[in-house]
Amino acid sequence: GAGVSQSPSNKVTEKGKDVELRCDPISGHTALYWYRQSLGQGLEFLIYFQGNSAPDKSGLPSDRFSAERTGGSVSTLTIQRTQQEDSAVYLCASSFSGGPPDTQYFGPGTRLTVL
Amino acid sequence: AQSVTQLDSQVPVFEEAPVELRCNYSSSVSVYLFWYVQYPNQGLQLLLKYLSGSTLVESINGFEAEFNKSQTSFHLRKPSVHISDTAEYFCAVSDNRANNLFFGTGTRLTVIP
Repeated sequence: GAGVSQSPSNKVTEKGKDVELRCDPISGHTALYWYRQSLGQGLEFLIYFQGNSAPDKSGLPSDRFSAERTGGSVSTLTIQRTQQEDSAVYLCASSFSGGPPDTQYFGPGTRLTVL
Repeated sequence: AQSVTQLDSQVPVFEEAPVELRCNYSSSVSVYLFWYVQYPNQGLQLLLKYLSGSTLVESINGFEAEFNKSQTSFHLRKPSVHISDTAEYFCAVSDNRANNLFFGTGTRLTVIP
């Protein structure tokens, strides 16, 4: 069966440009998560969706980061005016119903490089 | 707030030797514990998890982890490693106060032939 997919797999952008990262969760999963994996650091939680709502945005590092989810499926993470410190691997995960102890299934990630 | 500590960033071990990857967590409430593995050039995969019940949990490829509440630990062990176990291993915790997982910084296991 299809797992979580993310696109693009790699994105190189110039400082100051906006980028959009896409996540397609596993069909039927109501919960969707975005994480960021920076070099030498663990995975950092960004935002959680339950359906199309985002009850927990506590991990978004600044107001340059935003995310939306439509149709209870695809999600887009947008980073405006990118900075070099935004360079990281952005991971998306989905789970059947959300919240602990649901197992989260991860996508392959999008590697973002800001020059 | 929850946090996870993986003390060892890198663990080299010879093939067929035993290995232990350490994980300690901090949380004041009941927790759920996970080990994820990331093989080279692949995404994160769930290796095993502890939700409740027996404190010893096992994976299909020979790894096991034991939940120790008094030590607040969830160390991952394998009695005999294979070359194919070379990967990065992440310990993670969640509880009923948050929906997301809190991850450690990872341990890179390198199995030496």
